[in-house]
Amino acid sequence: NAGVTQTPKFRILKIGQSMTLQCAQDMNHNYMYWYRQDPGMGLKLIYYSVGAGITDKGEVPNGYNVSRSTTEDFPLRLELAAPSQTSVYFCASSPSGQGVIYSGNTIYFGEGSWLTVV
Amino acid sequence: DAKTTQPPSMDCAEGRAANLPCNHSTISGNEYVYWYRQIHSQGPQYIIHGLKNNETNEMASLIITEDRKSSTLILPHATLRDTAVYYCIVRFPGYSTLTFGKGTMLLVSP
Repeated sequence: NAGVTQTPKFRILKIGQSMTLQCAQDMNHNYMYWYRQDPGMGLKLIYYSVGAGITDKGEVPNGYNVSRSTTEDFPLRLELAAPSQTSVYFCASSPSGQGVIYSGNTIYFGEGSWLTVV
Repeated sequence: DAKTTQPPSMDCAEGRAANLPCNHSTISGNEYVYWYRQIHSQGPQYIIHGLKNNETNEMASLIITEDRKSSTLILPHATLRDTAVYYCIVRFPGYSTLTFGKGTMLLVSP
């Protein structure tokens, strides 16, 4: 059971470079998310998607872009990397649903991608 | 989502019960209480959730007060592997996102 898979696990970028963090889930979940976590802090939502072709901004979207062309994949693009983007990035997914029937609507997380911008 | 308040850290002896409190005084009638934990360097892991009845699963028990303004996560026999940051989150079921605070750092010692 792969669950949510993130690549790469570690990456060092130079200021101004660009890169894409990959995320894939094999649970047929409609909802997918990208969070970042700075040292000693809680997770902050960057972007999320409620289905293929639909994305929306979270709490800290500046400096990032996303796309969702398939249910399985939700890549996060960093353009013009800055030191402030040094963080751990977590991708997550959850099944869609409304109301009590889907009260468990558990969000499953990947193992994280450590990014350092120097 | 309603705001939650948790102590920044707690200690527990191995084999004893760990009781982690959470205040959520502004919770609304349809919001559930979820608990996640994050072991160092790993992604957050779902533990348990509940609406107003007490809940138990293989990992933990969740006790929610009658007025639903606070709750307690209970790890009945804490082990060293339970050392982690525990997050209490209040949200509507099916709502698209989770809002994480700073959580409680639980340290289980031998």
